Parts: sequence; C-alpha cells; structure tokens
Amino acid sequence: DTGVSQNPRHKITKRGQNVTFRCDPISEHNRLYWYRQTLGQGPEFLTYFQNEAQLEKSRLLSDRFSAERPKGSFSTLEIQRTEQGDSAMYLCASSWQGPLLYGYTFGSGTRLTVV
Amino acid sequence: GQQLNQSPQSMFIQEGEDVSMNCTSSSIFNTWLWYKQEPGEGPVLLIALYKAGELTSNGRLTAQFGITRKDSFLNISASIPSDVGIYFCAGQAIMNTGFQKLVFGTGTRLLVSP
Repeated sequence: DTGVSQNPRHKITKRGQNVTFRCDPISEHNRLYWYRQTLGQGPEFLTYFQNEAQLEKSRLLSDRFSAERPKGSFSTLEIQRTEQGDSAMYLCASSWQGPLLYGYTFGSGTRLTVV
Repeated sequence: GQQLNQSPQSMFIQEGEDVSMNCTSSSIFNTWLWYKQEPGEGPVLLIALYKAGELTSNGRLTAQFGITRKDSFLNISASIPSDVGIYFCAGQAIMNTGFQKLVFGTGTRLLVSP
C-alpha cells in the first residue's frame, strides 16, 4: 500500500456539469476525510467518514455536494451543477481509529477547474 | 471557515540560512501539527506536538507548542533548496461529537535561493 490515492489528478469541466472524484485510502485506515483547498489558502474540512458512515459534514458542503463510502473502503465525492467557485484542490485523507496522534495522511488531491 | 493565522506569508532566503515561522489562534488546540505542501501535492506531516510547552525536533526542523496552547512556531536550520514549499500549521480540535477535526493555517511560502 503506497498511501492515499486520488483520481483523477486534474479535472477541467464546464459550468453546470457534474463531476465525481475517487479516493482510495490506506487500507488499514477506517477513517476518511475530504478537504477543499483554494488557491493561497490552507485546506478546509468538508466531510468525514468512519467506515461507511458519514459522521460529520461542514457547512461548506452545499446541497450540490454528496460524498459516499460504500463498504467502508474507497470514497467518492460528487459535485452536481458545478460553478466557477467550485474550482479548487479537493484533498482526501485517511487515519487510524483512535486518538489522532499523527495527523492525517493526505492524497495528492484532485485539482478541479470549472470554466 | 475557521483558519489559523500564520506569519510571515512568504519568505525568500539564501541557502544555508535559518528560518522561523509561527502560527497563532484564538482557540486552544489539543495537538498542533506542521505540514509541508509542494506544488501539485497534498500536505505531508513534518512534526506533531501534543503537550503545551513541548519542543520537538525532526532533523533540521524544530517546533514548539506554546504554553497557552494557542500558538506554535517552526524553525528550519541550514535551509536547502528542497525546503521550498508551503508550510502549514494545523490545530486538532475535538468536536462535541468526538470527531477530531484539523483546522489549518493560512500557510507560509518558503523560497530558497541556491
């Protein structure tokens, strides 16, 4: 296992289209997180899964955003009717259950550009 | 969303120089973390701090957790060109639900001239 894997690395889409991103966490990790990072800013929390249950959602996650983690393994993040303001780097991270002693392990992200 | 304040925003230094950056918050955090992010990649953990006042080193990097648990600094000694990147601090906050959330700083961009 080489870490957290995200696909695609880059996505360019027209405004109004739907997009879906995939994240494969480290196999032993049961916690999975999605963060969004805009240019010049630090990552901001979007949502969190423990196994297949989505336990936390940020107010940043509008109704156009939906995340799933079927079977508690990989996760998908879908954005419907994309807007230019959705352009950002979408980062996935995973961690062990228990005290978050060592932070998260992040993937390389998916950079979304909405034109 | 909530973010921590980092300073300076950017630094341009000569190879071999020492670097110092800090991070402040209006909130108390249980754990402070320092990450480095290179272009087109996700953040990579450098140092984790668990106790107020704790001083921790990782090679040429040294970080301290402030006594008040509202601030931290990161020092890099004898900088080299591969230190180039954006350095983020992050505070770990435990929510009422037990969820452990990371709140990130605004970042310090480091450029090193050979």
